[in-house]
Amino acid sequence: AQKITQTQPGMFVQEKEAVTLDCTYDTSDQSYGLFWYKQPSSGEMIFLIYQGSYDEQNATEGRYSLNFQKARKSANLVISASQLGDSAMYFCAMREATNSNSGYALNFGKGTSLLVTP
Amino acid sequence: DSGVTQTPKHLITATGQRVTLRCSPRSGDLSVYWYQQSLDQGLQFLIQYYNGEERAKGNILERFSAQQFPDLHSELNLSSLELGDSALYFCASSVGRDRGSTQYFGPGTRLTVL
Repeated sequence: AQKITQTQPGMFVQEKEAVTLDCTYDTSDQSYGLFWYKQPSSGEMIFLIYQGSYDEQNATEGRYSLNFQKARKSANLVISASQLGDSAMYFCAMREATNSNSGYALNFGKGTSLLVTP
Repeated sequence: DSGVTQTPKHLITATGQRVTLRCSPRSGDLSVYWYQQSLDQGLQFLIQYYNGEERAKGNILERFSAQQFPDLHSELNLSSLELGDSALYFCASSVGRDRGSTQYFGPGTRLTVL
């Protein structure tokens, strides 16, 4: 089974600074998708960014970018110019094929809690 | 707002009872997924439907079942509830069912079993 590892349970960053949240993954598949989601204290899961395994360029979405290093099997999320509203749990996930009927599921890491301080 | 709706937002019930959670996907999305988030297990995939057909099954207990209706909304039925079933249940939807289809999550249903 594929596995996602987020080694930082919690992180602090000062407002307006950049922060990197680590994610490593383990898979034997050649084709896979990597996702980052944000979960604020209100509980909803918000999609941030996606990286396909064959994408040659790192994905970017506004202040979010994904530092994709395929050989190292890492997909770190970089948040630039942190804002107080960025305080939340961040989850890295991989889209994995299941054994049944061409379905796919997201396999999540345990998350990193980010606190942005003034 | 992701466009995925879930009802109810909160549910409190007793052990042994049965509940039904409802999900409406984003307009145009054919795939619906159910996930369970608990403190000890984290976020776990339960089941996926695509255009009414079951496509993938994860760690879903036999006491749990789901279906997707012709109008594409989905229901997750939880029966013989136990204290350990208390969790946040998410529904997500995507346009397709392939590897790159982004899943958009609903706000979740928080289930408390007393």
